[in-house]
Amino acid sequence: KAGVTQTPRYLIKTRGQQVTLSCSPISGHRSVSWYQQTPGQGLQFLFEYFSETQRNKGNFPGRFSGRQFSNSRSEMNVSTLELGDSALYLCASSPGTNRDTIYFGEGSWLTVV
Amino acid sequence: AQTVTQSQPEMSVQEAETVTLSCTYDTSESDYYLFWYKQPPSRQMILVIRQEAYKQQNATENRFSVNFQKAAKSFSLKISDSQLGDAAMYFCAYRGDSGGSNYKLTFGKGTLLTVNP
Repeated sequence: KAGVTQTPRYLIKTRGQQVTLSCSPISGHRSVSWYQQTPGQGLQFLFEYFSETQRNKGNFPGRFSGRQFSNSRSEMNVSTLELGDSALYLCASSPGTNRDTIYFGEGSWLTVV
Repeated sequence: AQTVTQSQPEMSVQEAETVTLSCTYDTSESDYYLFWYKQPPSRQMILVIRQEAYKQQNATENRFSVNFQKAAKSFSLKISDSQLGDAAMYFCAYRGDSGGSNYKLTFGKGTLLTVNP
């Protein structure tokens, strides 16, 4: 069974641009969540989607948004990029109940210059 | 809000020996789940072990075991017979069973484990 797949793996953007990251969950998983990992702040929760609905959101500005499609694939978008948005963005999936283990993808490395 | 604290930024162990990584957490919930994830240099987060708070028995997965002390809100990871492949950053994580903490993991800052040959 394929794991969580994230694309692109690496990207470089210029300050002020926007970026879209994609995530395909494990087959059969309906919950997708996103995390930002930086050396200073560690791992921080961005948001979680289940059946195309956002169920939980972390403390990030409105420039960070996401969505989930009917096939459970998810995208996250960051608009008006800032240097501080440079990070590893991790996508994770689970079947969708609160008792499930969450499985992670390999991440998307975003560098903002 | 729930918090997770890993007080050891770095640890080292000799190959074949045993090491224990510490984790404490703060929560007002009675039911929750605790996890240890491993992040090697590839940066993929790999699940090591999970513990349900309602279970008194400590979880074990091969060379990995936990010491879960619910009253003390402590959740340590013991790695026995350490191998070179165990070298990684280890994160302790909490997931609640109700309300806003249901659908997210709260992570500690991590412990970087070095395994010396």
